[in-house]
Amino acid sequence: EDKVVQSPLSLVVHEGDTVTLNCSYEVTNFRSLLWYKQEKKAPTFLFMLTSSGIEKKSGRLSSILDKKELFSILNITATQTGDSAIYLCAGMYSGGGADGLTFGKGTHLIIQP
Amino acid sequence: DGGITQSPKYLFRKEGQNVTLSCEQNLNHDAMYWYRQDPGQGLRLIYYSQIVNDFQKGDIAEGYSVSREKKESFPLTVTSAQKNPTAFYLCASSIDGPLSGSLDTQYFGPGTRLTVL
Repeated sequence: EDKVVQSPLSLVVHEGDTVTLNCSYEVTNFRSLLWYKQEKKAPTFLFMLTSSGIEKKSGRLSSILDKKELFSILNITATQTGDSAIYLCAGMYSGGGADGLTFGKGTHLIIQP
Repeated sequence: DGGITQSPKYLFRKEGQNVTLSCEQNLNHDAMYWYRQDPGQGLRLIYYSQIVNDFQKGDIAEGYSVSREKKESFPLTVTSAQKNPTAFYLCASSIDGPLSGSLDTQYFGPGTRLTVL
C-alpha cells in the first residue's frame, strides 16, 4: 500500500477557477510533508509543512496540514495557464528503517484558457 | 516489480574520498535525474540525462560527476571537490526528458543518505 496518496491524479479546469489538491499520508515515522511543482526539469519546492493547522501561503498558493486526519491540501486560487504542471506531494519519514522522502504519484493539473 | 532502486541506503565517507551512488531503473525510462536535499530545503538538481551517453549539468553540478552508459543505470560520483557533500541524494526517472515537449511525472528512488565524517 502506498505511503503517500494524492488525488485526483489529473484535473482540468478553466483559468480563474480555484483548485484543491489532496494528499494523504501514513503516520508511522512521519516528520514533515512537502509540496513540489513539476513543470519540465526539476520539481520546484513550494512548501514544507510540519505543524498541524498552520497555513503556509505564497501568492495564490496555500497549503495546510491536518495531523489528526493525516492529510494535506494545496489550494490554488485564480488559476492561470502557468499553473499547469504536475504537483507532487512527499512525506519525509525518519527512523524505523524508513528514512527519506516518499513521493505520491502526483496530480497533473491542466489550466485551460 | 518495476521501479527505481538506489544503493546504498546509508553511506559514510571520509573527507577527501570519492564515492559513487548507484541508481538503477527497470521502467524503460529514457530520462534520469539526480537531486540532493538538505535539511529543511527542497530538492536541487545536480545532473540529468535525457538519453544514453548524454547528460547535462543541473543547478549544482560542481563537485559531482555522472555517466550514462546504459539506459537502466545513472551512477553519481561525489568527488572530493564537493565542499559540502553531506546530504540526502535522490535519483529519479521519467519516460521522456525535459526537452521532449511532454510533461511526464518523475518517479523517485528511495534515496541515499551520505554523511562525511
